[in-house]
Amino acid sequence: DTGVSQNPRHKITKRGQNVTFRCDPISEHNRLYWYRQTLGQGPEFLTYFQNEAQLEKSRLLSDRFSAERPKGSFSTLEIQRTEQGDSAMYLCASSISAGHSSYEQYFGPGTRLTVT
Amino acid sequence: TQLLEQSPQFLSIQEGENLTVYCNSSSVFSSLQWYRQEPGEGPVLLVTVVTGGEVKKLKRLTFQFGDARKDSSLHITAAQPGDTGLYLCAAGGSQGNLIFGKGTKLSVKP
Repeated sequence: DTGVSQNPRHKITKRGQNVTFRCDPISEHNRLYWYRQTLGQGPEFLTYFQNEAQLEKSRLLSDRFSAERPKGSFSTLEIQRTEQGDSAMYLCASSISAGHSSYEQYFGPGTRLTVT
Repeated sequence: TQLLEQSPQFLSIQEGENLTVYCNSSSVFSSLQWYRQEPGEGPVLLVTVVTGGEVKKLKRLTFQFGDARKDSSLHITAAQPGDTGLYLCAAGGSQGNLIFGKGTKLSVKP
């Protein structure tokens, strides 16, 4: 078990460009979550998948954000037309969907996005 | 809106001292998680507490869930520099997600 992995670890982009991040969850976990964390704050929920179905989206997830998990394994998070306010750490987590265990989420190392 | 308030926000102590950090809410939770996060890394799950009044120990860390399942505390005995980090409490949200507090940033000086 290699844990949750995320790529890239760091991304610097210019305002207006599109970026895509990848997350590979723990293999036996059917739930995958995306969170965003800014300085001095705890992680904030963006969206989550159970298998390939996107079940919930936060109102934080504007129309410029889209997430996919096409085969129920890895997931991608794309941000179109990036803005400076998108600069943050983007965290991916995974869990199994059984009672309290769904709240025992295991996080990847994150992707640090800087929009210049 | 469910909110988790953590205190203190910052804590700087010397190696060997004891400390307690708190996580409070007006909401009742079915479970509560504690995570530790180091700079530039993702949060690492330390413990889950489920039953009101429950106490769990992880080496020098003691976690307690309040009787009413609205609050929790983390006590560290004889803190070491390796305990330095951001301690986050989290609980289940209505969308199947976790709601996090802002964290307590702990610095343990040798």
